[in-house]
Order: sequence, then C-alpha cells, then structure tokens
Amino acid sequence: AQSVTQLDSHVSVSEGTPVLLRCNYSSSYSPSLFWYVQHPNKGLQLLLKYTSAATLVKGINGFEAEFKKSETSFHLTKPSAHMSDAAEYFCVVRTGAGNMLTFGGGTRLMVKP
Amino acid sequence: EADIYQTPRYLVIGTGKKITLECSQTMGHDKMYWYQQDPGMELHLIHYSYGVNSTEKGDLSSESTVSRIRTEHFPLTLESARPSHTSQYLCASSRQGAGGNTIYFGEGSWLTVV
Repeated sequence: AQSVTQLDSHVSVSEGTPVLLRCNYSSSYSPSLFWYVQHPNKGLQLLLKYTSAATLVKGINGFEAEFKKSETSFHLTKPSAHMSDAAEYFCVVRTGAGNMLTFGGGTRLMVKP
Repeated sequence: EADIYQTPRYLVIGTGKKITLECSQTMGHDKMYWYQQDPGMELHLIHYSYGVNSTEKGDLSSESTVSRIRTEHFPLTLESARPSHTSQYLCASSRQGAGGNTIYFGEGSWLTVV
C-alpha cells in the first residue's frame, strides 16, 4: 500500500525567505514522486518529478526537491519565496501498478509581503 | 502547457438534473482519470481508464459514471445530481513509457448542486 503525508497543512513565509514543504511517503515499490501546485481556481500543474534518476530534482519556478530513501522523504524547497508562489502544493506518489496516484493532504503556502 | 481540456469550468444546477462533464486530451494518451476534490480536502480518484472501452472505479465510491468510446474523450455523467455531488472534478491523462508516467491535469470543473 502507498501513502503520502504532508506534515504541514499551512506554511507561512515572508517574501524573499526560503520555502520548505515537507513530505513523507511509504511505498511497497520503488516510488515515483511528484510535486504539483494548484493556484486558486486553477488546475493542478506539475512542479517536478523523481523517477529513480538523480535524487536532487529541479523543477519549474526555482523549486527543487530531494529524494531521501533512508528518511522516506521528498521535501520541496525554494531559496526565495515570491508572492506568486502562494498556492496549494500536493506531494504525490505513483502506485507501482499502472499510473495510479496517491495524493498527500496538501500544504497551503502563504507568502507575506 | 498540457493539452487537456475540461468543460464546463463552472456549473450550477438543480437537484435531480442530469449533467455531463466533458474531458478531452489531444496528446494521444491511453490512460485517463477523474479525480474529485472537495474544498480544502485531498484529491480522490473516482474513475480511470486504460484505453478505449476500458473503465474502472477508483478509490472513492462515486455515483457518477464514465465512458471511453474514443481515446481523446472521457466524459463523466451524473444521472441525477444531488447537493452532496457539489465538488471540484479534475480530469487527467498520462501515457506509459520512458519517463512517460507523468500525469497531466485539466483545469477542473466546479460543480454546485442546489
């Protein structure tokens, strides 16, 4: 069975400061992991994905995530937050069979001026 | 930008009405999905399809039905809408292959049943 836990339901940072959104997973298979972002009234957009290549994955808009197998973590980071980063972020693990996804509960990122 | 489209984006309908949410993708993807997301809650898979004439129920029980007559089209239908069906419905597609396990989402359909 697969599961994903996003450790913080809300994260608030000031503009220009680093962002850390935490994600832990469990999977019976070698996982593929994703981060998606959802802006208000918009669809889900892929930020980055890990598929057993480099453990440090770079995505769009300056985001990156590091796969740590020993910690079963896939935390999302960004060195400097922008106001436009305010959105909800979902950590996702791909089920071993086919392309079924298991979503975390989401983390709402708020960016203060 | 992914080429997957959902219509309508927003819909308010009365109880008992029949509605169909449309989803089309132009990427030639075999696999398509419908997810349901209540405001502030997690996404849940309600239907998926591995290809034409293939439909399966997902993790979350849903009174909706789907069909897959053409590769690019995966409509979702509610025969008799109820207020409990008020939610956001997200359509997605993917293609299996080298690096092809990324899932692309439409912008979502917001349904309100009054």
